[in-house]
Amino acid sequence: ELKVEQNPLFLSMQEGKNYTIYCNYSTTSDRLYWYRQDPGKSLESLFVLLSNGAVKQEGRLMASLDTKARLSTLHITAAVHDLSATYFCADPGAGKSTFGDGTTLTVKP
Amino acid sequence: GAGVSQSPRYKVAKRGQDVALRCDPISGHVSLFWYQQALGQGPEFLTYFQNEAQLDKSGLPSDRFFAERPEGSVSTLKIQRTQQEDSAVYLCASSFIGSYEAFFGQGTRLTVV
Repeated sequence: ELKVEQNPLFLSMQEGKNYTIYCNYSTTSDRLYWYRQDPGKSLESLFVLLSNGAVKQEGRLMASLDTKARLSTLHITAAVHDLSATYFCADPGAGKSTFGDGTTLTVKP
Repeated sequence: GAGVSQSPRYKVAKRGQDVALRCDPISGHVSLFWYQQALGQGPEFLTYFQNEAQLDKSGLPSDRFFAERPEGSVSTLKIQRTQQEDSAVYLCASSFIGSYEAFFGQGTRLTVV
């Protein structure tokens, strides 16, 4: 059974702090996606990681992929309120994606 | 259009009623996906089309769920005899063939009462 597990599921952090969200997946996939979802909105693609060791950065977010460990991380640097959202990782599979349950991030002033 | 468009945005159905949810993908996108997202969970795969061909329908939860894409563009997800457990957000996504980056619509929130 395909599994994608994220932790933590809920994260409350103060502005200016750093934190990492973890995503473990069960397949031998060499690719992984990260999405952001704001309340009542659809999913916005953040990162597409295409190979082992891939690292991508956008603003205060940085994602990495270790296919041997079947682990991806999303690192948040110096969090700001605008980053409050739910973040999903997804194993793209072949023609369909398997999503984690999401990490709901709340950044407090 | 500029993005994936879904309609209606909200639908309230009485238990036992049939509903039809529409998805207009991005022009030129060959692949189209439907996902179901329950409250507080990640999206779960329902079905996948490549042009008009339904290549994978392994995620459809029962034979009350039916999807079609007759001309390879617009797709409709139909749910017959809706049940309360069908209440969820239904997301449509499209992509170019061979592309791993799918673009999602805003979803249809279905509430069965």
